[in-house]
Amino acid sequence: QLHLQESGPGLVKPSETLSLTCTVSGGSITNSNYHWGWIRQPPGKGLEWIGSVYYNGRTYYNPSLKNRFTISIDTSKNQFSLKLSSVTAADTTVYYCARHIHRLAAAQNWFDPWGQGTLVTVSS
Amino acid sequence: QSVLTQTPSASGTPGQRVTISCSGSSSNIGSNNVNWYQQLPGTAPKLLIYSNNQWPSGVPDRFSGSKSGTSASLAISGLQSEDEADYYCAAWDDSLNRYVFGTGTKVTVL
Repeated sequence: QLHLQESGPGLVKPSETLSLTCTVSGGSITNSNYHWGWIRQPPGKGLEWIGSVYYNGRTYYNPSLKNRFTISIDTSKNQFSLKLSSVTAADTTVYYCARHIHRLAAAQNWFDPWGQGTLVTVSS
Repeated sequence: QSVLTQTPSASGTPGQRVTISCSGSSSNIGSNNVNWYQQLPGTAPKLLIYSNNQWPSGVPDRFSGSKSGTSASLAISGLQSEDEADYYCAAWDDSLNRYVFGTGTKVTVL
């Protein structure tokens, strides 16, 4: 059974860079049927897709987030990562990683399964 | 601001049927499949329905999805206490070129 686990610091200072890693177990991140994505959820608020990555390194992002995020993949470790530079208090949120079924031609797009999520607080 | 609008809350007694609606536009629901996610308190979202009306393995058929035009619905029949959660609709938006989630509906079991 596929399992995803986020890891990274729970506390980041303003203006610093946030780095999170998602480790995939129970399946290969190089499976060409899937993409791998990041979603965030501020405490008590709704969900927002950040971006996704394919096993070959191709990335695509939520245009409304203005290129603030960088997603990468490390197939040797079965991991993919998220970076956000110059964080502010507004970036305090729970970050989830998830497997992304992304087949535009077939109008199919969903996330399953999800990691448990990790809360990142931006504070000095 | 989300482009998929859901009623903020819904409620019912055990055994009742509850329906949640999701309103979008021609660029999202109107041209792409809709998915539903269930988020139990303090947990990560879980895929509940994909491609409008398909069940992932392990999801009971008490949950059913439908789509008509630019709107979608999730119905929960035989409501149970463990169904108390937040429910989100979602779809790809061709105009915005991104995956969009609904505003969320909190279901309360009375």
